[in-house]
Amino acid sequence: QVQLQESGPGLVKPSETLSLTCTVSGGSISNYYWSWIRQPPGKELESIGYIYYSGSTNYNPSLKSRVTMSVDTSKNQFSLKMSSVTAADTAVYYCARGQRVGNTGYHLDYWGQGTLVTVSS
Amino acid sequence: SYELTQPPSVSVSPGQTASISCSGDKLGSKYSCWYQQKPGQSPVLVIYQDTKRPSGIPERFSGSYSGNTATLTISGTQAMDEADYYCQAWDSSTVVFGGGTKLTVL
Repeated sequence: QVQLQESGPGLVKPSETLSLTCTVSGGSISNYYWSWIRQPPGKELESIGYIYYSGSTNYNPSLKSRVTMSVDTSKNQFSLKMSSVTAADTAVYYCARGQRVGNTGYHLDYWGQGTLVTVSS
Repeated sequence: SYELTQPPSVSVSPGQTASISCSGDKLGSKYSCWYQQKPGQSPVLVIYQDTKRPSGIPERFSGSYSGNTATLTISGTQAMDEADYYCQAWDSSTVVFGGGTKLTVL
């Protein structure tokens, strides 16, 4: 059974960089897409972007200027960095495994438990 | 940017059928999927590729589509099905979620 676990600081100061890591266990990170999704308290899900195990990325256009994703296949981990955070970035951040279906579909079949990141001084 | 539209809320009586819609431009030419999210929990995939059900998801959950609208149907709705439901599609290589629908089982 594939399991994902997010880790990183739960509190980040405004204007600083949010950094999270997702560790994948029970399966290989190879040959899959890996997504980051966030959910502000009481609000809907928002895709931040995804990274293929080879390192190619795709980011949400609204966040693209502040987001960097990376993957470390040797550790079965992938990471998210988001710069210049504000209170609007306060959210539960989830990592998930993506399954791409040709050029017309993508779904997330395994999710981490999520980690709350609060942006506050 | 691409948008998926869901009704904010749907109510259903126990044992009845609940239907949640999701509409988007040219959605019929893309695969859609659905997630269930209960309070304080991570989303769970309940339907993918429009109509497929992952292992472990009860048969009462089904997906369909017509034109540019995808529909999640829950037959014989149970109290445990009360949750938020999100549709999701892939447009221009970007993952897009609908705004979510709160399903209330009265």
